[in-house]
Amino acid sequence: EVQLLESGGGLVQPGGSLRLSCAASGSTFSSYAMSWVRQAPGKGLEWVSLILGSGGTTYYADSVKGRFTISRDNSKNTLFMQMNSLRAEDTAVYYCAKVLGLRTGDWYFDLWGRGTLVTVSS
Amino acid sequence: SYELTQPPSVSVSPGQTARITCSGDALPKQYGYWYQQKPGQAPVLVIHKDSERPSGIPERFSGSSSGTAVTLTISGVQAEDEADYYCQSADSSGTYVLFGGGTKLTV
Repeated sequence: EVQLLESGGGLVQPGGSLRLSCAASGSTFSSYAMSWVRQAPGKGLEWVSLILGSGGTTYYADSVKGRFTISRDNSKNTLFMQMNSLRAEDTAVYYCAKVLGLRTGDWYFDLWGRGTLVTVSS
Repeated sequence: SYELTQPPSVSVSPGQTARITCSGDALPKQYGYWYQQKPGQAPVLVIHKDSERPSGIPERFSGSSSGTAVTLTISGVQAEDEADYYCQSADSSGTYVLFGGGTKLTV
C-alpha cells in the first residue's frame, strides 16, 4: 500500500522561498499523477497544483501560478513543490495527494499525506 | 470564476439521515467527489464519480447527482460521522480542480 510523507515546512519571511518534499512508498509512483492541496488555519481545502506521472505536464491554481513550481523525481519516488515569493496568505498545511482519474476533469485524490505546515510571517 | 457552493453547517441527531448538497455550474459536465475530514487529520475520500463508494467506506455513505448539484447522503448517522465534508470537482475545461467551502456536520 502506498504511503505519503511530506517534509520541508517551516517558518519563512514574506518574499522568501521554501521547498516541500513528499516521499511515496511503493513501486508504482511514476504511474500516477500527484498533487498538492493546502488548508489555511481554520479554513477549507484549496487545490494548489498537479503533475502528471511522467512529470512533463503540470497545472496550477491561479493563486500560485508563476510563484510555485511542482516537480517530481520518479527514480526517488518523490514529489516536490518549490515555493517562491511567499506571502502571508500562503500560510497553510500543505498536503500531497495521489491522484486518480484518467483525464482532465476526472482527477480526484484517493490517498493523502499527513501534511506539513508552512508559516509565512515576519 | 467558477465555484462550488456548500452549506456551512448541517446538524442531525444520531440515526437520522444527513444530506449535504454541493452546487456548481459545471457539475452537469464534471463528476463530483466527497471527502471527510476530522480535526487534525487528512481528508479521506468517501464518494467518487458522483455515487461510487471506495472500499472500506461504510454503506451508509452514498452520493447522487442531479443537474447542477451533487449530494452526499449519510443514512443512520453515527457520532463518528461528525466531521467536515468537502465536495470537489473541476471547472468546465477540466484543468482546474475545485473544492467547495466545506460543511461541518454536527451529530
